[in-house]
Amino acid sequence: DAGVIQSPRHEVTEMGQEVTLRCKPISGHDYLFWYRQTMMRGLELLIYFNNNVPIDDSGMPEDRFSAKMPNASFSTLKIQPSEPRDSAVYFCASSLEARETQYFGPGTRLLVL
Amino acid sequence: AQSVTQLDSQVPVFEEAPVELRCNYSSSVSVYLFWYVQYPNQGLQLLLKYLSGSTLVKGINGFEAEFNKSQTSFHLRKPSVHISDTAEYFCAVTFSGGYQKVTFGTGTKLQVIP
Repeated sequence: DAGVIQSPRHEVTEMGQEVTLRCKPISGHDYLFWYRQTMMRGLELLIYFNNNVPIDDSGMPEDRFSAKMPNASFSTLKIQPSEPRDSAVYFCASSLEARETQYFGPGTRLLVL
Repeated sequence: AQSVTQLDSQVPVFEEAPVELRCNYSSSVSVYLFWYVQYPNQGLQLLLKYLSGSTLVKGINGFEAEFNKSQTSFHLRKPSVHISDTAEYFCAVTFSGGYQKVTFGTGTKLQVIP
């Protein structure tokens, strides 16, 4: 398996623009997680899905953030409108079970100017 | 609620010296414990995990950790570090029963000095 795939790897955008981050989990994994990592706040869990259904979105910072998982092999994290404080590395991870080993993607480095 | 504490944000150590990265957790029930490593510009990857059984867990790259229930700790150790071990290390915990997400610590940056 190719592991967790994220795209794009880097994104530079201007404040106010819509940003869409994409993730393809490992085939057969029932859980998908979105994290944000910054120097100031460390690693934060934003939302996670089980069998394509959002289970816990308490970490989503505000209404500008939304996440979807239309099928078992694809998820998106959207920021609309984007702000400079959204600049961070966004990771997607997947696992067989919620409390099992998580496999992380390489991350998307987002810079909002 | 479960939580995990990594008191040391940075740990400098000379090459070939031993190192211990500390992790303490709070939970009133049985737990699963993990250590992940993040190399520069990469995602996290699993070093080792404790689910049950022997309290001494061996992982990749010569790392090991010991689960100590009475002290609620899961410290990571390596007897001799290499330059390539320079990375950030995250401890994580979850409940062993029920339906719980994994909670990550704030990370410890290990800097190996030549």
